[in-house]
Amino acid sequence: QQKVQQSPESLSVPEGGMASLNCTSSDRNFQYFWWYRQHSGEGPKALMSIFSDGDKKEGRFTAHLNKASLHVSLHIRDSQPSDSALYFCAASEHSNNRIFFGDGTQLVVKP
Amino acid sequence: EAAVTQSPRNKVAVTGGKVTLSCNQTNNHNNMYWYRQDTGHGLRLIHYSYGAGSTEKGDIPDGYKASRPSQENFSLILELATPSQTSVYFCASGDWTSNERLFFGHGTKLSVL
Repeated sequence: QQKVQQSPESLSVPEGGMASLNCTSSDRNFQYFWWYRQHSGEGPKALMSIFSDGDKKEGRFTAHLNKASLHVSLHIRDSQPSDSALYFCAASEHSNNRIFFGDGTQLVVKP
Repeated sequence: EAAVTQSPRNKVAVTGGKVTLSCNQTNNHNNMYWYRQDTGHGLRLIHYSYGAGSTEKGDIPDGYKASRPSQENFSLILELATPSQTSVYFCASGDWTSNERLFFGHGTKLSVL
């Protein structure tokens, strides 16, 4: 079973709309969660992290973590065409250096 | 920002040939990783390393070897390349000093004919 699962596989939102991406892990030992964004032809780049339960806001991006349900989400408000990219959720334990990635959500923001 | 440099950016190889993909990081991170990314798939871990001299198998190590001769350098070696290894390969570095954040290179596009 894949340790990090993302949904939906693809998402289309209008410019200015809200995009919501979801991630569920199967390992209660995970303590570090990151969101990465990959534009076409580039390597993934870290977008933001969340390590504690609750919300974390950075500009138009808000991450939410619920460790009890092993659920992480990323919300992008006022979506822009430049936000169109492949988004990955990643999780890792504190004592184990393995980092597990989900399969990604392809986001398209239509002008 | 932390830098991870991969070479070459593009490579065309023949079936049965040997291919070496190189990765250099200037972040002084202990951990380095090799992933491949195929259309319709996410990032799949091939090999990783905790430091100079160490290599560990990831989820899809068959057909690949790795070498970590120094803190800065991590190579991925395909001794006998096959067409199924045609893919985009990414190197990354990161450790507890970056809160497990990974810094990725630009990728190497490998075509095995």
